[in-house]
Amino acid sequence: AQSVAQPEDQVNVAEGNPLTVKCTYSVSGNPYLFWYVQYPNRGLQFLLKYITGDNLVKGSYGFEAEFNKSQTSFHLKKPSALVSDSALYFCAVRDSQAGTALIFGKGTTLSVSS
Amino acid sequence: SAVISQKPSRDICQRGTSLTIQCQVDSQVTMMFWYRQQPGQSLTLIATANQGSEATYESGFVIDKFPISRPNLTFSTLTVSNMSPEDSSIYLCSVVEVGLVRETQYFGPGTRLLVL
Repeated sequence: AQSVAQPEDQVNVAEGNPLTVKCTYSVSGNPYLFWYVQYPNRGLQFLLKYITGDNLVKGSYGFEAEFNKSQTSFHLKKPSALVSDSALYFCAVRDSQAGTALIFGKGTTLSVSS
Repeated sequence: SAVISQKPSRDICQRGTSLTIQCQVDSQVTMMFWYRQQPGQSLTLIATANQGSEATYESGFVIDKFPISRPNLTFSTLTVSNMSPEDSSIYLCSVVEVGLVRETQYFGPGTRLLVL
């Protein structure tokens, strides 16, 4: 069965500092990995995905994520956080062989202070 | 990417009643899904809406409670039947576009439902 773990309920960083939001996954086949962001009272916005190729993928708003197969991780990163990055972040996975919908982690609230 | 709209955007309903949520996409999509996001929770897949056939439901969700229609490649409805306060959630429509091998799943703005 597919599963996603986001071990941190909340991450707090100061503006200008680097940020990391952690995600680990479990699938039986090859993973398709995604990050989404949800701002208050808004829908989910797609940030980035890893399907194959370079382990470091770049996405919207300066975010990037690194796929690590040995650690089954896909941590979201940004070199310099902005206050406007404060939101709820979801990691999601789909097994490339399953052909079904995404399975989501529980979400991590990012709070960036000025 | 596909533009997804949902109606209504929010509603307040009385227990025992039913609400039908519409999802409209501006392009043909291969797959459509319905998710639920309960207050303070992550997204849980309710079902896959299949065009021209019965939806495929996830464990814990049944057709009698959440009937789904998908008459074509751009439209689907989810009905929340015989509602109780526990059904208060955000309901999200999600789609995967036609023709993309390594597809991205996009989400509608959601329908915020409060059951009293």
